[in-house]
Amino acid sequence: GQQLNQSPQSMFIQEGEDVSMNCTSSSIFNTWLWYKQDPGEGPVLLIALYKAGELTSNGRLTAQFGITRKDSFLNISASIPSDVGIYFCGYFGNEKLTFGTGTRLTIIP
Amino acid sequence: KAGVTQTPRYLIKTRGQQVTLSCSPISGHRSVSWYQQTPGQGLQFLFEYFSETQRNKGNFPGRFSGRQFSNSRSEMNVSTLELGDSALYLCASSLQGADTGELFFGEGSRLTVL
Repeated sequence: GQQLNQSPQSMFIQEGEDVSMNCTSSSIFNTWLWYKQDPGEGPVLLIALYKAGELTSNGRLTAQFGITRKDSFLNISASIPSDVGIYFCGYFGNEKLTFGTGTRLTIIP
Repeated sequence: KAGVTQTPRYLIKTRGQQVTLSCSPISGHRSVSWYQQTPGQGLQFLFEYFSETQRNKGNFPGRFSGRQFSNSRSEMNVSTLELGDSALYLCASSLQGADTGELFFGEGSRLTVL
């Protein structure tokens, strides 16, 4: 499958800070997905993007489908303790999801 | 509405044994897929079933197999366990497949191979 390069691998931030993470690929995609996995849980879909240039918000989360169709970013504003977890980008094809390596978000007290 | 249920949640096996994991999808969902999650390889696709038919299979050895029953419940089996099979095995369901990218995941079955 195609490689998804997700960065950063981990982030340590203080509550209230904004967060930005991104995902890049050498291939063009028709969808970009962002999932979050809470500790001890399975991943949950946060945002799905279907069109190049699309900017979508879900509460404090904002994600954009890059205009080149090879990248996407996810921003979280004013982080809160429940934002802790692993964030995965991904794409859909052939009845399966392919995920990036994940960004682990930790909030420092 | 009940979510995806996976059993058992935790299990410990020894090398050479086999294991069967079970997944009950959300009611009405006909597609079930399985993923393996490890710290080194991340989330890797194993296989996907729809109406008892395997539609896609990931790049795993033949020791990994699965099936889906007429009620959409699914099982996966790993035979001749190896240390590297230690992982969190996640099951996900959807109405007809991941065509919108939204899969609903269970909490996973954490397998430890000693």
